[in-house]
Amino acid sequence: QQKVQQSPESLIVPEGGMASLNCTSSDRNVDYFWWYRQHSGKSPKMLMSIFSNGEKEEGRFTVHLNKASLHTSLHIRDSQPSDSALYLCAARRNGNYQLIWGSGTKLIIKP
Amino acid sequence: EAAVTQSPRNKVAVTGGKVTLSCNQTNNHNNMYWYRQDTGHGLRLIHYSYGAGSTEKGDIPDGYKASRPSQENFSLILELATPSQTSVYFCASGGTGGDTGQLYFGEGSKLTVL
Repeated sequence: QQKVQQSPESLIVPEGGMASLNCTSSDRNVDYFWWYRQHSGKSPKMLMSIFSNGEKEEGRFTVHLNKASLHTSLHIRDSQPSDSALYLCAARRNGNYQLIWGSGTKLIIKP
Repeated sequence: EAAVTQSPRNKVAVTGGKVTLSCNQTNNHNNMYWYRQDTGHGLRLIHYSYGAGSTEKGDIPDGYKASRPSQENFSLILELATPSQTSVYFCASGGTGGDTGQLYFGEGSKLTVL
């Protein structure tokens, strides 16, 4: 069982629409969260991080975090075809500071 | 931009053969990591290192060894490769403290074990 669960597994959104991706850690010994984006055939690249409760916005991307439920969500507004990618969520373990990764959400933006 | 370089990018090996995947970073990061990525599993940590001379076991270390001879270089060694080790392997480097989750990845090494 994946300790960091992402949903949905895949998502199709029309160009210009809003994409919403979810991530929850069942491992309670985590503190911070990161979102990475991986285009097909490429390596993951960090998109956003969130460390405290609330919301963080960077351009078209907004991340929310609820530390009590260890749930984070990523929202992409005005989605572009270039946003089509695998989105990976990672939570940092307390103690050894290693990341636990979800298996990702495959986002497809349809022109 | 932080730079992590992996070699080889593609490798075909035979069962029972030895495979070495190499990674070089020019970021002067203390931490380096080896992950494998398979469909449905996301990224799984094999070995990591806090600095030259140190290696630590990750979540799936069986069948793999690691070596960190210098700050810049981190190798992953498969002494006796098996078909189950067919995968894409990513090396990454990262800082310490609050930045430990910001990793810089190499472009990946696709390994096929026949």
